[in-house]
Amino acid sequence: AQTVTQSQPEMSVQEAETVTLSCTYDTSESDYYLFWYKQPPSRQMILVIRQEAYKQQNATENRFSVNFQKAAKSFSLKISDSQLGDAAMYFCAYRSAWGGATNKLIFGTGTLLAVQP
Amino acid sequence: DADVTQTPRNRITKTGKRIMLECSQTKGHDRMYWYRQDPGLGLRLIYYSFDVKDINKGEISDGYSVSRQAQAKFSLSLESAIPNQTALYFCATSDWPDRDQETQYFGPGTRLLVL
Repeated sequence: AQTVTQSQPEMSVQEAETVTLSCTYDTSESDYYLFWYKQPPSRQMILVIRQEAYKQQNATENRFSVNFQKAAKSFSLKISDSQLGDAAMYFCAYRSAWGGATNKLIFGTGTLLAVQP
Repeated sequence: DADVTQTPRNRITKTGKRIMLECSQTKGHDRMYWYRQDPGLGLRLIYYSFDVKDINKGEISDGYSVSRQAQAKFSLSLESAIPNQTALYFCATSDWPDRDQETQYFGPGTRLLVL
């Protein structure tokens, strides 16, 4: 079974600085997707970024980028020029590409990011 | 207007009561999901549905049932609520078969407290 591990329960960053959130996963599959979701105090789950395992190029979305290391099964999120609005719980998630039709997301336990002014 | 809506947003109920949480979507997606979020555990899948006639149990389905009334509506029921079902519940949707677009989109969540 696949698992997702986020080893940093809490992180803090100064406004305008850069922070990296860690995520590792375990799978025997070769084709899958990885996601970072953001959950602000409003509770809404917001997709931040997505990475396809068959793509070697790291995904980027404006100030958000990932460092995808397939061999190491590592998928970290880098937030550049941190803003107060980035304060939230961040979840890493895995989904099998074909998944036996299950298609479910497997989530890590989350990292709570605080942004200091 | 939100693409995925959940009602109610907050609910307090008593042990033994039957309660239904509703989810509606305007995204036109075939696939819908119910997740539960507990502190320190992330989100876990309760049930999922790939179309109106295809409903499947997730990893924590005991104590829950679902109904897919239409492509756009997917309801979660707690037949006899118990305190350890106190949690934040999320509905999500996704599209298929274009795998590049197969991303799950979440509703705003329902916070349930069972006394």
